[in-house]
Amino acid sequence: EVQLLESGGGLVQPGGSLRLSCAASGFTFSSYAMSWVRQAPGKGLEWVSTINNSGSSTYYADSVKGRFTISRDNSKNTLYLQMNSLRAEDTAVYYCAKELISLIEVADGRGFDYWGQGTLVTVSS
Amino acid sequence: AIQLTQSPSSLSASVGDRVTITCRASQGISSALAWYQQKPGKAPKFLIYDASSLESGVPSRFSGSGSGTDFTLTISSLQPEDFATYYCQQFNSYPLMYTFGQGTKLEIK
Repeated sequence: EVQLLESGGGLVQPGGSLRLSCAASGFTFSSYAMSWVRQAPGKGLEWVSTINNSGSSTYYADSVKGRFTISRDNSKNTLYLQMNSLRAEDTAVYYCAKELISLIEVADGRGFDYWGQGTLVTVSS
Repeated sequence: AIQLTQSPSSLSASVGDRVTITCRASQGISSALAWYQQKPGKAPKFLIYDASSLESGVPSRFSGSGSGTDFTLTISSLQPEDFATYYCQQFNSYPLMYTFGQGTKLEIK
């Protein structure tokens, strides 16, 4: 059974940093691109970042570019999101999500077939 | 960047109704579109990929169609568990950005 379990959320002051983790199990983690998606309270889904299966290619939404860094450790089956210079508008539930198809280029993505339960990040003084 | 516009933003319907939700892309994306269902407090559930391919385990009353800029999600006969918010997402843009539509909230009439 595929499982994605996020952790690391919490309350942080504006300008602060936080690192989210997503522990994956039930599939060959190193074969799949992975993504982070967020949802502000009462709002829609926003794609944040994607990393290819090997970790050699990363992509970001304009809203987080230069502040967030996605990475992965395939030996630990874990996805990360390092968030720096946090702003109030980064307040959201952050989900990690798995790409549908294995061993494809990120540009050929097809969909996110499994999602974690989400971790809440609150940026407030 | 490619924008996705869903219509309507909200919709009231009854059990047994046939419902169609539209997703329009600001430029052509071939068939690189997925649909998700989200219920309050839950993670999104994957429904359809490649605009019209049904994910395994998703009931056959759900279907998708379209290519280029215009796409639809159709529920042929609404069931009580289908009342939720639906999102489209595109996978064909340069620079790469996996944009979501703003969502369509499907409510019970």
